[in-house]
Amino acid sequence: DTGVSQDPRHKITKRGQNVTFRCDPISEHNRLYWYRQTLGQGPEFLTYFQNEAQLEKSRLLSDRFSAERPKGSFSTLEIQRTEQGDSAMYLCASSFEVEETQYFGPGTRLLVL
Amino acid sequence: GEDVEQSLFLSVREGDSSVINCTYTDSSSTYLYWYKQEPGAGLQLLTYIFSNMDMKQDQRLTVLLNKKDKHLSLRIADTQTGDSAIYFCAESKVADKLIFGTGTRLQVFP
Repeated sequence: DTGVSQDPRHKITKRGQNVTFRCDPISEHNRLYWYRQTLGQGPEFLTYFQNEAQLEKSRLLSDRFSAERPKGSFSTLEIQRTEQGDSAMYLCASSFEVEETQYFGPGTRLLVL
Repeated sequence: GEDVEQSLFLSVREGDSSVINCTYTDSSSTYLYWYKQEPGAGLQLLTYIFSNMDMKQDQRLTVLLNKKDKHLSLRIADTQTGDSAIYFCAESKVADKLIFGTGTRLQVFP
C-alpha cells in the first residue's frame, strides 16, 4: 500500500457548481478524517469517520458540505453550490485506532471562480 | 479552548541546528505531533510525543516537551536545504482530531 490517495489533485469550478472529492485511506486504517487548509493557515478539522460511522462534524461544515464513507473504505466529500470562500486545500488523513497517528494524503486543491 | 501557536518564520544556515517552538493551551492533550509540508503537498508526519514523555530523539530530530509550560519544540540537527518547508505543530486527545498551529516556515540558506 502506497499511502493515502486523493482524487482529483486539482479542481477548478465556477461558483454555484457542485464538486465531489474522493479519499482512499491506507487499507487497514479504520479511521478517516477530512481537514481544510486555507493559504497561510494550518489545517482545520472538518469531519471524522470510524469505519462507516460519521462520529464528529465541525461547526465549519455548513449544510452545503456532506461526507460519506459507505463501506468503511473510501470516503467522498461533496460541496454543493460552491462559493469563493470554499477555495482551499482539502486534506484527508487516516489512522489505525491502536496507533493514534494520522497519515495524510496529498490533498485536493479547489479553486472556485 | 484549544489553541496552538507557532512563530511564523525561521531562517538558518545550512549545517546549523534549527529549533522550532510551539505553545498549546489544552492541558488534556495526549499526543503532540510535528508535521512537515512542502509546497503544494500534503503533510508528512515527522515525529510525535506522548504527553507523559519529556523528550524523544529520532535521528536528526529531537522533540522536547515542557508540559508545565505547555511548550513543545523540534530541534533539527545539521539542517539541510531539503529541510526547507513549513513545519506544523499539532495536538490531540486519544482518538480525536488534530488541532494545528499556523505553521513555521523554515528557510535554509547555504
